[in-house]
Amino acid sequence: DTAVSQTPKYLVTQMGNDKSIKCEQNLGHDTMYWYKQDSKKFLKIMFSYNNKELIINETVPNRFSPKSPDKAHLNLHINSLELGDSAVYFCASSPRGAGAPWETQYFGPGTRLLVL
Amino acid sequence: QKEVEQNSGPLSVPEGAIASLNCTYSDRGSQSFFWYRQYSGKSPELIMSIYSNGDKEDGRFTAQLNKASQYVSLLIRDSQPSDSATYLCAVNEGNNDMRFGAGTRLTVKP
Repeated sequence: DTAVSQTPKYLVTQMGNDKSIKCEQNLGHDTMYWYKQDSKKFLKIMFSYNNKELIINETVPNRFSPKSPDKAHLNLHINSLELGDSAVYFCASSPRGAGAPWETQYFGPGTRLLVL
Repeated sequence: QKEVEQNSGPLSVPEGAIASLNCTYSDRGSQSFFWYRQYSGKSPELIMSIYSNGDKEDGRFTAQLNKASQYVSLLIRDSQPSDSATYLCAVNEGNNDMRFGAGTRLTVKP
């Protein structure tokens, strides 16, 4: 009965490869997010989707492309991986998101990406 | 650039003491404020949320908000070794935009 799940949990790959991370939430939430947490534990928002529509697109390289096939899923595809992409990527969701700043965000377990 | 700043620590307190964690934010339009706890290798989990000036208590945790000073804090009473973690301050600036501080690492020594 996992609320927010991500796959894979660990991802080790070579520089230049293309990889995808998947996220699913079974909470019925409207909004989903991708965050990147670097080695210094700084958690930074990358993207936000509300009902499959892109709401926030922070300044991230266009090698990162989110895709939301439905409101329960938000995937992250990364092209031409670089060493600096090594981090933990967290997916999160919130009930409404847009127009509801009081809402809590619920985080998935994270995907630990290591680019060699 | 809108900022959320925390003292990175580490903050070390003896078991049973009060741990005080502080956070300042730069956007005066910020609407809601959250404290998340993150154990090593785990995902952030919500401890407290606060939206109005003043104090909000939940068990051993008290969140304090002062919008005039753009300051939010978290007090942990009767600190336990299990409270040892990184505490992340988060500020929602509206429209889904949640900004996190870099976190304060807390160690509670038995």
